[in-house]
Amino acid sequence: GAVVSQHPSRVICKSGTSVKIECRSLDFQATTMFWYRQFPKQSLMLMATSNEGSKATYEQGVEKDKFLINHASLTLSTLTVTSAHPEDSSFYICSARDWGGNIQYFGAGTRLSVL
Amino acid sequence: DAKTTQPPSMDCAEGRAANLPCNHSTISGNEYVYWYRQIHSQGPQYIIHGLKNNETNEMASLIITEDRKSSTLILPHATLRDTAVYYCIVRSQGYNFNKFYFGSGTKLNVKP
Repeated sequence: GAVVSQHPSRVICKSGTSVKIECRSLDFQATTMFWYRQFPKQSLMLMATSNEGSKATYEQGVEKDKFLINHASLTLSTLTVTSAHPEDSSFYICSARDWGGNIQYFGAGTRLSVL
Repeated sequence: DAKTTQPPSMDCAEGRAANLPCNHSTISGNEYVYWYRQIHSQGPQYIIHGLKNNETNEMASLIITEDRKSSTLILPHATLRDTAVYYCIVRSQGYNFNKFYFGSGTKLNVKP
């Protein structure tokens, strides 16, 4: 299957700082990528849809100014958690849709800890 | 979006078949059923998907009932490495096309 790389795998930051997470499709072009967050012992929650060359669309209740998404190329989407606070600590996971659009391939996730 | 219902947990003996059920009684005619699994602290892994016919690949088989209101994922010979949370997802249509909304999944415990 297709490979989606996510970086970093783990990040610890101080409260008030911003953190950028990268999501790359390594062997295919992805016009659409997705960002999820997952709290301990809970399921994945879709945060936003990242569209190459256009603005991301956010799910209801997700603050777009808090979670900035940029999808500048067909293989890279970034999620920036701005002014992070301890309640933003979570597991963030990206996915990319394959060529036919039928399967989403997921990155390994980024564990964010805000102190 | 069609909602899915899965048992919260299941046990399976190593080497036996694991049969994971999923109820999606409100599924629409052109919505696909997908199965993913998530091993602890990793991203979800694609397993299989289907529309109405039964599907099989190297990982698993997917059996969809004729009325499409439920499906079963079959791992033919479960191993300890198959211990994971298994998610059944119905792919959205229309404006939300290709968005995945995860339910709570089934924690499969494969025991020696």
